Formats: sequence, C-alpha cells, structure tokens
Amino acid sequence: GQQVMQIPQYQHVQEGEDFTTYCNSSTTLSNIQWYKQRPGGHPVFLIQLVKSGEVKKQKRLTFQFGEAKKNSSLHITATQTTDVGTYFCAGGSNFGNEKLTFGTGTRLTIIP
Amino acid sequence: GAGVSQSPSNKVTEKGKDVELRCDPISGHTALYWYRQSLGQGLEFLIYFQGNSAPDKSGLPSDRFSAERTGGSVSTLTIQRTQQEDSAVYLCASSLGLAARTDTQYFGPGTRLTVL
Repeated sequence: GQQVMQIPQYQHVQEGEDFTTYCNSSTTLSNIQWYKQRPGGHPVFLIQLVKSGEVKKQKRLTFQFGEAKKNSSLHITATQTTDVGTYFCAGGSNFGNEKLTFGTGTRLTIIP
Repeated sequence: GAGVSQSPSNKVTEKGKDVELRCDPISGHTALYWYRQSLGQGLEFLIYFQGNSAPDKSGLPSDRFSAERTGGSVSTLTIQRTQQEDSAVYLCASSLGLAARTDTQYFGPGTRLTVL
C-alpha cells in the first residue's frame, strides 16, 4: 500500500532560524495536504496542493508539491515560538477512493 | 455542530474491561475516520466510514477492536478486554465524503484512554 514518510522526525531550532520538513510518497499522489498539531492538541488542516510543481504561501510558511507529485516540503521562515508542534503531510492516491495516508510527522521545537 | 466532538475526553479503565468511545462528526459530513496516537507518536489509522459502511478497516489492531456508525452520523469505537498497550489518544475526524483521497479532514479533540 501507499506509504508516506517524513524527514526529519524531530527538529530543534533557535527562534528566528528557518525550518524545513520533507514528505516523500512511494506512489504518485493526486494531492498533498499539510496539518499542524500543537502540543496537547489535535491535527488542524493548513493547506492542500494539487498541481505538479505547485507552490503556496501562508505568511512565513511556504508549501511545495514536487514536479513528479511524489514529494512535498514545508518551509517556515524565521521561526517563532507559536510554530511549535508536529507537522504532518497527508497524501491522496491517484485512483479509487482510498483515504488520505498521513505521513510520520516532524516534531518542531523552538529554543527561545 | 460547529466541530467534531468526542466523549469522554478522558477515560481511565482497568485492564480487561471494555470501553466505548464516541464521536460526533460535523453535521453533513458523510465520511468518518478513527486514528490512534500513542504519546509522541504519529497517527495510526484504524478505520474509515463512508455513511454507515466501512470501506477500510485495515487498521484495527485486533479483533478486540470494533467500530460502528449509525444513521450516518455518530460513531462508536469499542475496545474489548482492554490491555495496557491500548493506552493512547483516540482521535476521530470527519470529512465531507466527496472523495476520501482529497477531502480535508477535521479532527476532534480526542479521547485519552489510560488502561491501568
């Protein structure tokens, strides 16, 4: 079945530094979604990418979908303490009605 | 409702007891998902409902786990003869149900299960 891996598993950065998490799928995806889970909270939807090579921005967050639609990245510029949490990507298959497959997640901690 | 709700928010039980966890999806959402999240870990998929049927229940860990959904709305996850390794946060999510592979999922706050 479809597998979605994320790297790194953990990332500790100084406040103000940049952060990037990468998402890789074993199969071509129809779309990729990103979710954020704050400590003690539940995953919350951030964004969806559908087109090959698509790039979307939300303030300091930049999301990319690879040309082959098998990988994606989330880049945060100048991290703030509010960025703390675990970031999950979730990939949708290209056919059938299979549910999204969530990635393994990257936990971001910020050193003030 | 305004969002996905789950009850109870916390459940402490003794090993060997049965527990029932409830999920109320967003009104109008026909798809519903159950996940398990152990401390500091990722999301472990358990089961997915479209309406009252479960096209994918491949994630249920054992036959002690079962889930049902009635009236296309509320879902109950039942764990029989609980074991200590069942301790985790159980998250429910719902989506519009237009296409499971592209739908955005909306998560509830979860039920924290502790098996003593």
